[in-house]
Amino acid sequence: NAGVTQTPKFRVLKTGQSMTLLCAQDMNHEYMYWYRQDPGMGLRLIHYSVGEGTTAKGEVPDGYNVSRLKKQNFLLGLESAAPSQTSVYFCASSYLPGLNTGELFFGEGSRLTVL
Amino acid sequence: AQSVAQPEDQVNVAEGNPLTVKCTYSVSGNPYLFWYVQYPNRGLQFLLKYITGDNLVKGSYGFEAEFNKSQTSFHLKKPSALVSDSALYFCAPSTGGFKTIFGAGTRLFVKA
Repeated sequence: NAGVTQTPKFRVLKTGQSMTLLCAQDMNHEYMYWYRQDPGMGLRLIHYSVGEGTTAKGEVPDGYNVSRLKKQNFLLGLESAAPSQTSVYFCASSYLPGLNTGELFFGEGSRLTVL
Repeated sequence: AQSVAQPEDQVNVAEGNPLTVKCTYSVSGNPYLFWYVQYPNRGLQFLLKYITGDNLVKGSYGFEAEFNKSQTSFHLKKPSALVSDSALYFCAPSTGGFKTIFGAGTRLFVKA
């Protein structure tokens, strides 16, 4: 099993450019998440999805959009990148609460630099 | 507001000595409590969790954690540290799925 796979792993953008990060999971998880990790700030939730076709805002959603057209995929988009979006992005997935105790399964991360 | 505190940015310990990484939280209800570990340039990995029952829970790689309800703490421990334990550790209380909050992380450095 591959678990949670993120592409690309590294990307450099210029201010104002757009890009999409792709997350794929093969564990049939209902819930999927996008986090960003910045030094000294832990992980902060950007957006999440509780099932195919649904998305919701997390703690820091501004400047990002997401889509969950298929259960196994969760896309994170930046329409107009800004230097403040330089970060490491992690995708995660989990079972439905109640069916499991909420353990998160993470991808390897995508390092984004915006110049 | 709900929060989690990991008061030490870094913990230094000699190989073979016991280690403790501290975590306190302020979360309504009875959250599940998790520890995750992150090795360099990798994603976070589940280490252990507390749901209910015995206050001392055991996890992967010889780690354990002690839950204290009155102090709302969930400290991570290991009786004998290894150099390979050097990593970034996150405490993460959760009331389910997207309701997981992460501490800032504590970097553990084990010296040979």
